[in-house]
Amino acid sequence: GAGVSQTPSNKVTEKGKYVELRCDPISGHTALYWYRQSLGQGPEFLIYFQGTGAADDSGLPNDRFFAVRPEGSVSTLKIQRTERGDSAVYLCASSQIAGGDTQYFGPGTRLTVL
Amino acid sequence: DQQVKQNSPSLSVQEGRISILNCDYTNSMFDYFLWYKKYPAEGPTFLISISSIKDKNEDGRFTVFLNKSAKHLSLHIVPSQPGDSAVYFCAASAGGQNFVFGPGTRLSVLP
Repeated sequence: GAGVSQTPSNKVTEKGKYVELRCDPISGHTALYWYRQSLGQGPEFLIYFQGTGAADDSGLPNDRFFAVRPEGSVSTLKIQRTERGDSAVYLCASSQIAGGDTQYFGPGTRLTVL
Repeated sequence: DQQVKQNSPSLSVQEGRISILNCDYTNSMFDYFLWYKKYPAEGPTFLISISSIKDKNEDGRFTVFLNKSAKHLSLHIVPSQPGDSAVYFCAASAGGQNFVFGPGTRLSVLP
């Protein structure tokens, strides 16, 4: 069956631009998570959705970062006024339910801000 | 302040021998722990988990041990195979929602 997919796989942008990163979770999974992974580090939690609502957005670094999941499936992570420090691999994961359930990760989107 | 630490950035083991990957945590509220394996250009893949009510969980060649008093867990892989070569992440949560990951350990299994 289809796993978690993320598009694009790579995104290069210039400082100050706006980017959108898309995540298609496994069908039927109600929980969706966004992480950011910098070189040599583990994934860093950003936000998670239970259905359409953001249940915990405490990991978003600042108000330039925003995520939506309007229909409870696909999610988009939006970054405004990108900075070079935003360069990282952005990982999406989904699970059947939130709370102790296995998270299945997508391959990630590598964002490079020049 | 890292709440989840993996103090060995890399580990090399001979094929057929045991691999032991270690993880330490500081938050005593953590009650659920997972290990993930990651190959280059792929997302992390779930390996095995353990809740704080247990001290051991086994799945085939993989066993996770939890020592709550020491705030330490370890992943044992035996026998190690070349296909096990990857980066291994330890992750922990309080209540199973917001997972905190360690920085990872790169395991190389030598044929």
